[in-house]
Parts: sequence; structure tokens; C-alpha cells
Amino acid sequence: DQQVKQNSPSLSVQEGRISILNCDYTNSMFDYFLWYKKYPAEGPTFLISISSIKDKNEDGRFTVFLNKSAKHLSLHIVPSQPGDSAVYFCAASATSGSRLTFGEGTQLTVNP
Amino acid sequence: GAVVSQHPSRVICKSGTSVKIECRSLDFQATTMFWYRQFPKQSLMLMATSNEGSKATYEQGVEKDKFLINHASLTLSTLTVTSAHPEDSSFYICSAFGHANTGELFFGEGSRLTVL
Repeated sequence: DQQVKQNSPSLSVQEGRISILNCDYTNSMFDYFLWYKKYPAEGPTFLISISSIKDKNEDGRFTVFLNKSAKHLSLHIVPSQPGDSAVYFCAASATSGSRLTFGEGTQLTVNP
Repeated sequence: GAVVSQHPSRVICKSGTSVKIECRSLDFQATTMFWYRQFPKQSLMLMATSNEGSKATYEQGVEKDKFLINHASLTLSTLTVTSAHPEDSSFYICSAFGHANTGELFFGEGSRLTVL
């Protein structure tokens, strides 16, 4: 039972354009959501998070949007840079600080 | 930010041997650490939750006798893959929550295990 799903295994965008990565979840108990970035042969690094009391959180080029009614969140990266090329995982938890459930990941490729 | 370090980053062993992977929280105390496994092009799969001073909690389908977890101190958790077989070859990653349950899970660099 995949409670967190990233339906797009890959995404390719041009440098300078916007990258939009999507994530859907099924567990209505999830109330904290995070995005991680991962390079090959490295551990994931935290990017940005959002709690269910918000619908938007912004940090520099990264913005996460949460639509609770649709159980959907998205990560926007603008402008995209070649160094952003990596696998992006969304994750969710029932409460902050509890175990995370990860999506399958989306490989983002930003072309120069 | 909080730093989690793993060692070794890469290990190659013969089938039937045991391999130990260490996970350390470098600038904070972690009463709970998590061990994940990632197969190529797949998501991170939680294997077990490592609790300092008590037994680890294993996810369904993960053999506790195969993957021994010891969390003897607030800064160190170890994963031992016992009697390793080629199908155990994978990327193992540990993690811990940063300060005061912020919800941000910090990951180690990962350990690539190859069993010949």
C-alpha cells in the first residue's frame, strides 16, 4: 500500500524555467510533509517542509504547496539550475518528529 | 544543521560474511535513529527504528536476525548484516531527527554494500 506516491519517475526542464514536482498521499493522518533531494550514492538532504496548517511555504527558489482537500503537494523550483538535477523524494508523517513515509522519487534533469 | 555520518561508505564482502555499518550523530544526541534501504531506482524503504537502550523495532518483512541493530549510545547506532548474500547488496542509509523534533530527518551519506 503506497501511501505516498510520486507518479512521475522523471522530469526534464530547461535551465531558468520552473520545475514542478508532484506528490499525492492517501493517509489523512499525515500532517507534516517534507521534500528531500538525493544525488547518487549519497544520503538524502532536506530541502523544505510544510505542516498541514499551511498551504504554502517558500525558501529561496523552492516553494512547497499543499492542497489538503486533494491530498496533494508540489514542489516548485524557480529558476531551475543544472545543479538541481537529482532525485527528489517527498515524505510525510503523522506528526512532526515521527517516522516518515517516502514516495518513490522523481528524477529531475535540468538541461543547460 | 544536524549532521549524521555513516561508515563505511562502501564495502565489498564475500557471501556468508557479516558486515557492520556505523551511524553517528555528530553534533546532537539521537535517541531514535532510522535505517533505510534503497534499491536502484526505488524509494527509501524503512527497515527498522533504532532506539537507544532498547530493542529496535523492525518493519514487516525485515528479518531481525539478519539485520542486527544496536543503539548503545545516544550518538551511535550500528547495523550488522549477518551472513550476507548477494541479494543483500544495496544502499543502506541511516537517519535521525535533528534538534527538538523539528520533523527534519537528517540522513547519513549512505553505505553501499556489495556481496560477491
